[in-house]
Amino acid sequence: AQTVTQSQPEMSVQEAETVTLSCTYDTSESDYYLFWYKQPPSRQMILVIRQEAYKQQNATENRFSVNFQKAAKSFSLKISDSQLGDAAMYFCAYRSEGGGGADGLTFGKGTHLIIQP
Amino acid sequence: NAGVMQNPRHLVRRRGQEARLRCSPMKGHSHVYWYRQLPEEGLKFMVYLQKENIIDESGMPKERFSAEFPKEGPSILRIQQVVRGDSAAYFCASSPRLAGGSNYEQYFGPGTRLTVT
Repeated sequence: AQTVTQSQPEMSVQEAETVTLSCTYDTSESDYYLFWYKQPPSRQMILVIRQEAYKQQNATENRFSVNFQKAAKSFSLKISDSQLGDAAMYFCAYRSEGGGGADGLTFGKGTHLIIQP
Repeated sequence: NAGVMQNPRHLVRRRGQEARLRCSPMKGHSHVYWYRQLPEEGLKFMVYLQKENIIDESGMPKERFSAEFPKEGPSILRIQQVVRGDSAAYFCASSPRLAGGSNYEQYFGPGTRLTVT
């Protein structure tokens, strides 16, 4: 079974600065997807960014980018120019690519991101 | 274009009662996933359904929990004889694609917060 580990229960950053959230995972599969989800106080799960394991290029979405290290099984999220609206819980998630019904996401325990004004 | 809808948003049940949680997927989506989030935890996969079929229920507790996704109407997560440990947020997600789709994403609803007194 796959596991996802987020080793930082809480991170704090000054507004406009850059912060990196770490995520490692364990799998024996070669094809899979990785995701970062944001959960603000409203508790709505919002997809931030997605990475396909077969792609070497790191995904980028505006101020959000990832550092995907497949050999190290590491998938960190970098948030540039942090804004107050970025304050939320951030969850790293894994999904198999192989189908066969194994489509449920495996989530880490989350990192609480605090933005200091 | 309405997103994934869940109701009720909040549900209070006494120990021993039944809880029924509903999820209407996004228009055109025929795949539904249920997740449970305990306090201070990430989401845990429970079950994956397609219309009239349970595809993967590896995350479902063996007793008291059941799920369905009928041909017509919303998906239902049913918890019989609830206990205090069932108190959690229950999230539904939907997807338009079969497993292995290259642009596969799960879109989450706002969740149902179940409180068992």
